[in-house]
Amino acid sequence: GAGVSQSPSNKVTEKGKDVELRCDPISGHTALYWYRQSLGQGLEFLIYFQGNSAPDKSGLPSDRFSAERTGGSVSTLTIQRTQQEDSAVYLCASSLAIREGRGDTQYFGPGTRLTVL
Amino acid sequence: AQSVTQLGSHVSVSEGALVLLRCNYSSSVPPYLFWYVQYPNQGLQLLLKYTSAATLVKGINGFEAEFKKSETSFHLTKPSAHMSDAAEYFCAVSHAGGTSYGKLTFGQGTILTVHP
Repeated sequence: GAGVSQSPSNKVTEKGKDVELRCDPISGHTALYWYRQSLGQGLEFLIYFQGNSAPDKSGLPSDRFSAERTGGSVSTLTIQRTQQEDSAVYLCASSLAIREGRGDTQYFGPGTRLTVL
Repeated sequence: AQSVTQLGSHVSVSEGALVLLRCNYSSSVPPYLFWYVQYPNQGLQLLLKYTSAATLVKGINGFEAEFKKSETSFHLTKPSAHMSDAAEYFCAVSHAGGTSYGKLTFGQGTILTVHP
């Protein structure tokens, strides 16, 4: 009965480096969401997956951000050429996505705290 | 477009007192609304959700919220605060239609402090 897991829990990197953040959703959950939580911006939506496809990438802040999901399970969020403003907690959530998905509960992981020096 | 506004970034109550955290929403369609709680260094945990069934929704840990369409509100209450309720609380609305099914838009959060 594992919940959503994320790794690493903490990541410190230097400006300009690339980072990969991983999310393991709850088994059987077809929908997967990435959010970012920062002091200045609060909780922001980044991207949504239904299965392996991403119908909504509207929240990705720049083309340095990308994400993929394979096998309808694990997802990776990649940030290229990191900047200091990318420092935040990156949260992943998953849901069953029955019906249209609006009322489904999203279960959140503990997050990855990214610090860009 | 959907949005939520949480009134009060910080709320402080005494142990045993009523907790009231305010949330107002804006939505062009019947909203689905959520309250989440976040304890320090943890992810978000669902407290309760409104999905157009009963307007008074009961959640975990003694919390409840009432959906009031006329006031576009979904305030969170608990009759008697406990020290363990100290956390940050987020109200959220779920998007409808297009490619954004289920995407949550969050309020700015309210930090609840409970003092003895």
